[in-house]
Amino acid sequence: AQSVTQLDSHVSVSEGTPVLLRCNYSSSYSPSLFWYVQHPNKGLQLLLKYTSAATLVKGINGFEAEFKKSETSFHLTKPSAHMSDAAEYFCVVTRLDDYKLSFGAGTTVTVRA
Amino acid sequence: DADVTQTPRNRITKTGKRIMLECSQTKGHDRMYWYRQDPGLGLRLIYYSFDVKDINKGEISDGYSVSRQAQAKFSLSLESAIPNQTALYFCATSDNRVGTEAFFGQGTRLTVV
Repeated sequence: AQSVTQLDSHVSVSEGTPVLLRCNYSSSYSPSLFWYVQHPNKGLQLLLKYTSAATLVKGINGFEAEFKKSETSFHLTKPSAHMSDAAEYFCVVTRLDDYKLSFGAGTTVTVRA
Repeated sequence: DADVTQTPRNRITKTGKRIMLECSQTKGHDRMYWYRQDPGLGLRLIYYSFDVKDINKGEISDGYSVSRQAQAKFSLSLESAIPNQTALYFCATSDNRVGTEAFFGQGTRLTVV
């Protein structure tokens, strides 16, 4: 079985400062990992994904995440937050031989002007 | 037009009523899913379908049923709605590659009073 823990339920940053969203996973097998973003009243949009290639993954809108197998982590970062980054972010895991997505509880990001 | 379309977007219904949520997709994917989102819990899988003849229960299927009318259409029914089924419901699709990401609709906000 696989599971995901998002270590922060809420993160608040100032515009122009770095953003760090933390995610730890557990998986019996080689995982695929994803970050999705949900803006208010919108569906979920894929930010980036890791599927056993390069451990540093670049996504849309300046986000990137690093897969660290030894730490079972897949933290999401962005060097400089923008007001439009205010949203809820979900870390998601699935196995490379599976279809089922397991979601973390989500991290809400607020950006202060 | 959106790749995954859900109707209705918002619905208020009374306890005991039957309600159907509809989903259609233009991605050409075989796999379709219904998820439920509750604050602080992330998304949880209700039902999934790998093709028109293959339907499976997810982790929280009690009180729900589904119908896969065609490759592109997957509907979710609440036979007798109850207040704790008040939630945001998402339909999603994915292709048949292992470890692949899912594409989500914009969600249906259901309130049972």
